[in-house]
Amino acid sequence: GAGVSQSPSNKVTEKGKDVELRCDPISGHTALYWYRQRLGQGLEFLIYFQGNSAPDKSGLPSDRFSAERTGESVSTLTIQRTQQEDSAVYLCASSQIAGNTEAFFGQGTRLTVV
Amino acid sequence: GNSVTQMEGPVTLSEEAFLTINCTYTATGYPSLFWYVQYPGEGLQLLLKATKADDKGSNKGFEATYRKETTSFHLEKGSVQVSDSAVYFCALSSGGSYIPTFGRGTSLIVHP
Repeated sequence: GAGVSQSPSNKVTEKGKDVELRCDPISGHTALYWYRQRLGQGLEFLIYFQGNSAPDKSGLPSDRFSAERTGESVSTLTIQRTQQEDSAVYLCASSQIAGNTEAFFGQGTRLTVV
Repeated sequence: GNSVTQMEGPVTLSEEAFLTINCTYTATGYPSLFWYVQYPGEGLQLLLKATKADDKGSNKGFEATYRKETTSFHLEKGSVQVSDSAVYFCALSSGGSYIPTFGRGTSLIVHP
């Protein structure tokens, strides 16, 4: 596609429910990243994919968070048993290769846990 | 590991004032340096970049020079406009880490 696409753009969910956030990277980009941005804060790294494998999951805040990527394309970030502190904008970015290249960002998914 | 430190905001200026947002970094390997901008309600987009020492990145009147000796990449603009109001993120990316590292962001508010 022309750019990184994320869906949904907004998600309101009840505490304790599971949510899935989707990211479609730019075609041909092998590296994919998920970040979290809390209100008024910087970017918090969550997970990095190189192809379909995730060499670095160090940023996932708890075992309620998981992510996968299939076909070196679409990625899904899943948050189980959501908590209010999970409320944030979840940003996805992709790049042609990992390291030394610019990242292209999607518009983000604004998650609100009520 | 890699890290980026940028000045805290908000930075509040009048239109046509001179802007500097400081950014310093630590990195393994030889990083590429970036400034991203996030306009209200929008995603991050690349503003400018530099890939080697003494390179100057520029775009939309903004400039930043890759200073290896001081490990800095300060963002400057000679005359800001109201439309420049946004959050600016300094970032680096290196082959040693593979994960783009971002500063905390600096909010710029420009008044007419």
